[in-house]
Amino acid sequence: NAGVTQTPKFQVLKTGQSMTLQCAQDMNHNSMYWYRQDPGMGLRLIYYSASEGTTDKGEVPNGYNVSRLNKREFSLRLESAAPSQTSVYFCATGTGDLYQPQHFGDGTRLSIL
Amino acid sequence: SQKIEQNSEALNIQEGKTATLTCNYTNYSPAYLQWYRQDPGRGPVFLLLIRENEKEKRKERLKVTFDTTLKQSLFHITASQPADSATYLCALVRSGNTGKLIFGQGTTLQVKP
Repeated sequence: NAGVTQTPKFQVLKTGQSMTLQCAQDMNHNSMYWYRQDPGMGLRLIYYSASEGTTDKGEVPNGYNVSRLNKREFSLRLESAAPSQTSVYFCATGTGDLYQPQHFGDGTRLSIL
Repeated sequence: SQKIEQNSEALNIQEGKTATLTCNYTNYSPAYLQWYRQDPGRGPVFLLLIRENEKEKRKERLKVTFDTTLKQSLFHITASQPADSATYLCALVRSGNTGKLIFGQGTTLQVKP
């Protein structure tokens, strides 16, 4: 039972390159989330998907796009990477119930030169 | 704007003592507050949830309090062990929200043998 799987685990990009971060879950959860984590900033929500076929912006959506491919998969795309997007990216899932926790993957560490 | 703050300085304590971590929030009333543990290189893992109408919640050596007047939550680990060393994150959700979490920046706890 893998839970939430993120690929790749590490990536180095050059400024201007594009990249898609993948997230897959086997928890049968309706909601999926993308966060970024920067030193001293905590986790910040980029985009989320309350259910298959829907996506909404979070706190810091600029420079990113998302696709909820099906119930299991939620991808995050950087169309033209910038050094400010160097971060650790976490995918999370949840039932969507207000009082249930979120379950996180182990992150993708992305460096943009 | 909404703000949630945790002690940015690391907390160092001796094994066997009680660790107390603080989470303060401003500008709105959360429906509930969650605490997560994060180990280096890993995603956050859910520990406890406390609702706005609960004063205290316990789970084994963990205790969380929630004071909506002070706008503060305290997270206690009793009889701390070196294995408790990690970063602890608090997160909250406002009433009526769709489960989107707002995270503090985390406090790193180091328990020395």
